[in-house]
Amino acid sequence: DAGVIQSPRHEVTEMGQEVTLRCKPISGHNSLFWYRQTMMRGLELLIYFNNNVPIDDSGMPEDRFSAKMPNASFSTLKIQPSEPRDSAVYFCASGNSSYNSPLHFGNGTRLTVT
Amino acid sequence: AQTVTQSQPEMSVQEAETVTLSCTYDTSESDYYLFWYKQPPSRQMILVIRQEAYKQQNATENRFSVNFQKAAKSFSLKISDSQLGDAAMYFCAYRGHLYNFNKFYFGSGTKLNVKP
Repeated sequence: DAGVIQSPRHEVTEMGQEVTLRCKPISGHNSLFWYRQTMMRGLELLIYFNNNVPIDDSGMPEDRFSAKMPNASFSTLKIQPSEPRDSAVYFCASGNSSYNSPLHFGNGTRLTVT
Repeated sequence: AQTVTQSQPEMSVQEAETVTLSCTYDTSESDYYLFWYKQPPSRQMILVIRQEAYKQQNATENRFSVNFQKAAKSFSLKISDSQLGDAAMYFCAYRGHLYNFNKFYFGSGTKLNVKP
């Protein structure tokens, strides 16, 4: 089991550029979550999918943020255009629908927008 | 909405001693799951221990144990024989059974320092 795989591990970009973060969940998991972590706000849930369908995107901060899950093994989080305040660590996590199932996190992408 | 509160932003413990991290939560559900995650400086989120609300027995994983008090909605983590490798951020998390059961609610975290 390779765990949740995120790429890139680090991303540095200039304000106004498009940023795409990628995630491959653990095979067999049917729920996928995107979190953002900052010192000020802690861990924030941005969006989660169940069976590839977005269930709750109320945490997506603005229309500049979008997420897709075209199939069970891949998801993207896109920021367009990026702003300095988007700088954070973005985590992808997966799990299954059993409520006793924990979340399995990827190693995160550290995004820096200059 | 469910909330999870970790009232200790930072704590310190001497190596080999015991430390307890506190967590309280608010919910109207009777069945749910609680988790503790560890985030070392490498930023990886690691599951430490989990507890089902219907189980009265406190969960234990080696040096890690919980004190679960359902009526008080309290879920503290005890680390025995603390080691330098235990230094990390610790997050308490709640997952409900009925409402928004796919959502995990996280506390703000407690930074644990371990002194040699």
